[in-house]
Amino acid sequence: DAMVIQNPRYQVTQFGKPVTLSCSQTLNHNVMYWYQQKSSQAPKLLFHYYDKDFNNEADTPDNFQSRRPNTSFCFLDIRSPGLGDAAMYLCATRSGTSTDTQYFGPGTRLTVL
Amino acid sequence: AQKVTQAQTEISVVEKEDVTLDCVYETRDTTYYLFWYKQPPSGELVFLIRRNSFDEQNEISGRYSWNFQKSTSSFNFTITASQVVDSAVYFCALSVVISSGSARQLTFGSGTQLTVLP
Repeated sequence: DAMVIQNPRYQVTQFGKPVTLSCSQTLNHNVMYWYQQKSSQAPKLLFHYYDKDFNNEADTPDNFQSRRPNTSFCFLDIRSPGLGDAAMYLCATRSGTSTDTQYFGPGTRLTVL
Repeated sequence: AQKVTQAQTEISVVEKEDVTLDCVYETRDTTYYLFWYKQPPSGELVFLIRRNSFDEQNEISGRYSWNFQKSTSSFNFTITASQVVDSAVYFCALSVVISSGSARQLTFGSGTQLTVLP
């Protein structure tokens, strides 16, 4: 089945130790998104790619970076995780047409010790 | 600016009861899309429905139904004969189509935690 895959599902890192989360999709969608979701809150958009064009939200900290080496893969790099970065990180994809829905992966739950 | 309000933070019902989750939205745009997503404890956001602003027909899918009323800017979601497996957080979201035709990002409501008790 076509889907959005996130690895790992659970990630533990130490304060200040860089971490990379990955997302892959078999939907061949143009757009890929990264969201941060903290407990009991709605998802918050960090950035998105439309093909290779990168769009950063104004309030996304510099500590968060992203790479999209090809259509199928997108990575979220947290350069120096702080305790406040512990959250669920959700990847989503959308076809390039305006009517299409965002489809989400299962998420990666990040713990920072 | 867009805004989505889900006034019900938590709802508890007993299995087989009907339950309605409220969603009120604000936008100045005339073309937009509304969505409902379900987030079970596992964390994945599961797409349930999309409705565009020009289609006010209500929709029914099994035990799920949606009531879209532009006059009150509401897009409410009803689960009939609720089941324990319906327990989850439900998010209403709004996406606005800009002039170039590509949809903008989703604006989410704060979510409603639904607990269905056996």
